[in-house]
Amino acid sequence: QLHLQESGPGLVKPSETLSLTCIVSGYSINSGYYWGWIRQAPGKGLECIGSLYHTGRTYYNPSLKSRVTISVDTSKNELSLKVNSVTAADTAVYYCVRHQSVGVPGAIEYWGQGRLVAVSP
Amino acid sequence: DIVMTQSPDSLAVSLGERATINCKSSQSLLYGSNVRNYLAWYQQKPGQPPKLLIYWASTRESGVPERFSGSGSGTDFTLTISSLQAEDVAVYYCQQYYSESNTFGQGTKVEI
Repeated sequence: QLHLQESGPGLVKPSETLSLTCIVSGYSINSGYYWGWIRQAPGKGLECIGSLYHTGRTYYNPSLKSRVTISVDTSKNELSLKVNSVTAADTAVYYCVRHQSVGVPGAIEYWGQGRLVAVSP
Repeated sequence: DIVMTQSPDSLAVSLGERATINCKSSQSLLYGSNVRNYLAWYQQKPGQPPKLLIYWASTRESGVPERFSGSGSGTDFTLTISSLQAEDVAVYYCQQYYSESNTFGQGTKVEI
């Protein structure tokens, strides 16, 4: 059974870098599928941050592309997210996800429980 | 970006009655080579991550009750809950995955 668990600081200062890790268990990231990050600001809707195919190809939300890096550590079977130069607008619950693989990142079959990250001095 | 617009923003439905949520995309989500609509529906309850209900616009995810159904093609889609149950109170989102940068609708809150 696939399990996704996000971890990382719950509080980040403005202008600094938000870093989260997703521990993947029950499936090897190297074996296939698109893996990604979705965020949800408090009381708001869902926003796709980006995704990574098991070959290493990445897709990013154009509005975040200049500040975001998604990567994978295959030795640890972990997915990572970095968002640079954060502001209060980056305060959100960050979800680690696995998409169906349909040539592009497809429907999202699996979600982590989410990690709330607040940006505040 | 493909813009997804849901209507209504919220609706109140009596137990056992039908709930209908609409989703409109700014461009067609129908892929010609496989004749599939790249659209999914999710249910999100408070404090929980979203749950996949429907993909390919009308394919029910394993374990999802039959009262949930999806329809539509091209730019106009509908999620129908045929007989609302108390446990269906949630926010529902549509998502397009036609483009590599997936986008979601703003959500529709369903209440009793």
